[in-house]
Amino acid sequence: DAKTTQPNSMESNEEEPVHLPCNHSTISGTDYIHWYRQLPSQGPEYVIHGLTSNVNNRMASLAIAEDRKSSTLILHRATLRDAAVYYCIPHIIQGAQKLVFGQGTRLTINP
Amino acid sequence: DAGITQSPRHKVTETGTPVTLRCHQTENHRYMYWYRQDPGHGLRLIHYSYGVKDTDKGEVSDGYSVSRSKTEDFLLTLESATSSQTSVYFCAIINTNTGELFFGEGSRLTVL
Repeated sequence: DAKTTQPNSMESNEEEPVHLPCNHSTISGTDYIHWYRQLPSQGPEYVIHGLTSNVNNRMASLAIAEDRKSSTLILHRATLRDAAVYYCIPHIIQGAQKLVFGQGTRLTINP
Repeated sequence: DAGITQSPRHKVTETGTPVTLRCHQTENHRYMYWYRQDPGHGLRLIHYSYGVKDTDKGEVSDGYSVSRSKTEDFLLTLESATSSQTSVYFCAIINTNTGELFFGEGSRLTVL
């Protein structure tokens, strides 16, 4: 299981970009890097994932380091609704696996 | 939405009683997971399943057992509930076409 390290908390202002880092130095070659977020009183939800190349979707962008030992989730213009706990977790797409979440980063957005 | 439902959504029980939580999915996914989450903490893996009758332990499996007799249902049982098992329990599945984890809405269990 790849271990991850994320800052416990981060704070940003509304409409500003937010860069959420994650270190996953023990990632295996077949692990995709996934990001999930958990809004208050809800279950986690998928945000984005990637293997080697940077990825964009309507929610966020994912920048992956060339050595794949770290990644950064980018929220281009944070809104109050982006306040959540963000988790990065490397895992394969198929196959039996323990999916162990770290503590995640609690993101606070100031109006 | 991956067609995941958890039941019951809320339950209050007494110490020493057995409790079973059910996770039901409608899309025939192979891999299913049970997590618990305590206030202010992250998700901790209890057990997971990689097929009918195929299960394995997670990080915090003591005091819990699971069963998967058919693809669509993954049951989590507390044989004799304790107050330390008061928590919110989340079920999840992996969509192996996209690699996305989908979570249920959670089951809040209170053990008095």
